[in-house]
Amino acid sequence: DAGVTQSPTHLIKTRGQQVTLRCSPKSGHDTVSWYQQALGQGPQFIFQYYEEEERQRGNFPDRFSGHQFPNYSSELNVNALLLGDSALYLCASSLVGAGKLFFGSGTQLSVL
Amino acid sequence: GIQVEQSPPDLILQEGANSTLRCNFSDSVNNLQWFHQNPWGQLINLFYIPSGTKQNGRLSATTVATERYSLLYISSSQTTDSGVYFCAVEDGGSNYKLTFGKGTLLTVNP
Repeated sequence: DAGVTQSPTHLIKTRGQQVTLRCSPKSGHDTVSWYQQALGQGPQFIFQYYEEEERQRGNFPDRFSGHQFPNYSSELNVNALLLGDSALYLCASSLVGAGKLFFGSGTQLSVL
Repeated sequence: GIQVEQSPPDLILQEGANSTLRCNFSDSVNNLQWFHQNPWGQLINLFYIPSGTKQNGRLSATTVATERYSLLYISSSQTTDSGVYFCAVEDGGSNYKLTFGKGTLLTVNP
């Protein structure tokens, strides 16, 4: 039973570029959430997708957008990258109503 | 929004010792989870425990929702227990968003 998988594992971009991160949820899960974790901090909620719709959004600018596909996989897009976007981006999946989150290994994004 | 405070921020133990990590939260919660983040960044879900007590091997957790705190107990610690332990809560109005504390960095020395 595959857990949550994320790609790529590492990414280096320059300021102003755009990036797309990908996530496949744990088998049987239908809800995907994205979190940003800065060095030395706890993860911060970006948004959650269910039934291909953004269900709730955290305190992140519109440069952060996402998508969920019919097979429940998800993408996180970040436009006009800033140095401050450098962080570990974590994807978590769950079953609607169940509450318990399972996390992927993350994508380490470095913006130079 | 809801505030989550974890203590202590850092903890150093010798292998075999026991420890208690605390999580205080500022409002009523629907959902409380404990996670362990290993040195490679992987977040492992330890407990889903909005109230009551659960045990899993050497780990156990207790949440007293009415007093707005949760405790994570680690007994007979091993070097593989090292890493950061996070408490995360979902407040009553949020439904879907987990708010994390800053974590407790645990180092277990052989």
